[in-house]
Amino acid sequence: SQTIHQWPATLVQPVGSPLSLECTVEGTSNPNLYWYRQAAGRGLQLLFYSVGIGQISSEVPQNLSASRPQDRQFILSSKKLLLSDSGFYLCAWSVRGLAGRFNEQFFGPGTRLTVL
Amino acid sequence: GENVEQHPSTLSVQEGDSAVIKCTYSDSASNYFPWYKQELGKRPQLIIDIRSNVGEKKDQRIAVTLNKTAKHFSLHITETQPEDSAVYFCAGRDSSYKLIFGSGTRLLVRP
Repeated sequence: SQTIHQWPATLVQPVGSPLSLECTVEGTSNPNLYWYRQAAGRGLQLLFYSVGIGQISSEVPQNLSASRPQDRQFILSSKKLLLSDSGFYLCAWSVRGLAGRFNEQFFGPGTRLTVL
Repeated sequence: GENVEQHPSTLSVQEGDSAVIKCTYSDSASNYFPWYKQELGKRPQLIIDIRSNVGEKKDQRIAVTLNKTAKHFSLHITETQPEDSAVYFCAGRDSSYKLIFGSGTRLLVRP
């Protein structure tokens, strides 16, 4: 069965420090991968998505970036964190099914980031 | 692009009553509509979904209906229980790889 991992689970970082969050998926090949951010008590904001190695689409211009160095690895980075970067960061994956049908999207356990 | 609106933002029901959450979407090309439940501090969990070629789908106490003409879909929870208390998100997906989420509904089931 498929499993998605994220680490770290929680992170407290000072303003201006760098960030690297990692997401890996097991049990599937060539997944679509996604990064979301959820501010406290708010909805799900799509940040980046990727349909293959090295293919990244950005949804929101900001000081974050994403990379996909391997098929099942997705990394979210920042060179300098802002206070507004605090939130719950969720990685998700989905697989395109037969005849182009889109299958379900599943979320990882998330990383709770606090920027002080 | 797709836009999904969800209401109500909060919903309080008595245990055993039914709860209904409604969403509308803008892109007539959208063909997949999932619902997620998010408990406090946890990840969103997929609870039910529906594709545009069907009008209704049920799974025990949960059902989803889709009206393609009116471009709206709804989540129905019957015989609500305290453990149904959570935030529920609807979403729509068009021909791209992205899900567009509604703003969420906080459901409280009073014992």
